[in-house]
Amino acid sequence: DARVTQTPRHKVTEMGQEVTMRCQPILGHNTVFWYRQTMMQGLELLAYFRNRAPLDDSGMPKDRFSAEMPDATLATLKIQPSEPRDSAVYFCASGSHPGQGSRNEKLFFGSGTQLSVL
Amino acid sequence: GQQLNQSPQSMFIQEGEDVSMNCTSSSIFNTWLWYKQDPGEGPVLLIALYKAGELTSNGRLTAQFGITRKDSFLNISASIPSDVGIYFCAGKSNTGNQFYFGTGTSLTVIP
Repeated sequence: DARVTQTPRHKVTEMGQEVTMRCQPILGHNTVFWYRQTMMQGLELLAYFRNRAPLDDSGMPKDRFSAEMPDATLATLKIQPSEPRDSAVYFCASGSHPGQGSRNEKLFFGSGTQLSVL
Repeated sequence: GQQLNQSPQSMFIQEGEDVSMNCTSSSIFNTWLWYKQDPGEGPVLLIALYKAGELTSNGRLTAQFGITRKDSFLNISASIPSDVGIYFCAGKSNTGNQFYFGTGTSLTVIP
């Protein structure tokens, strides 16, 4: 089965360090989402790409977070410098967006990166 | 961002019982998705709905797209221990870019 692949699965780091999370979307999908999940806030959208172009990153703290898609098979989420409050599970999800008003849009999630910032 | 109201927040049921949960929104959606999340894993897509009134099944799971397009429902029949997990709904309008997620329903099945 095709699946979204995220690395690393777990990351423990010290405050102030840079963290890079990677995502390989399902082949052929043209949308990529980054979500953060915490007990308090649930699933929060951080960034959204369509056809590798960033369409929405309003949910992302701009001063320390950055998201990119250097090519269609790789999306990255970077935190620099990391802080303890960034501790959470970060999910990447991919889907197909054939056009406005089209049916059959679905979203598939990776297994997540559990980040702990000490 | 917008969050969908999902209820109940948690459920404790006996094995074999049926389960019902729902999700409501203040906005009209054109797509409803239902997910199950196990501990340490990402949400797994269970059912996708695209038309008001649509009823779709996946094994013992049945989901409905509410006719007002502001709600959706998920039913699980004859629950078993492996149904344990957190169930999320997600909705999206055709004019929007993102899916909005419910707060989740935690299901515990007592053998």
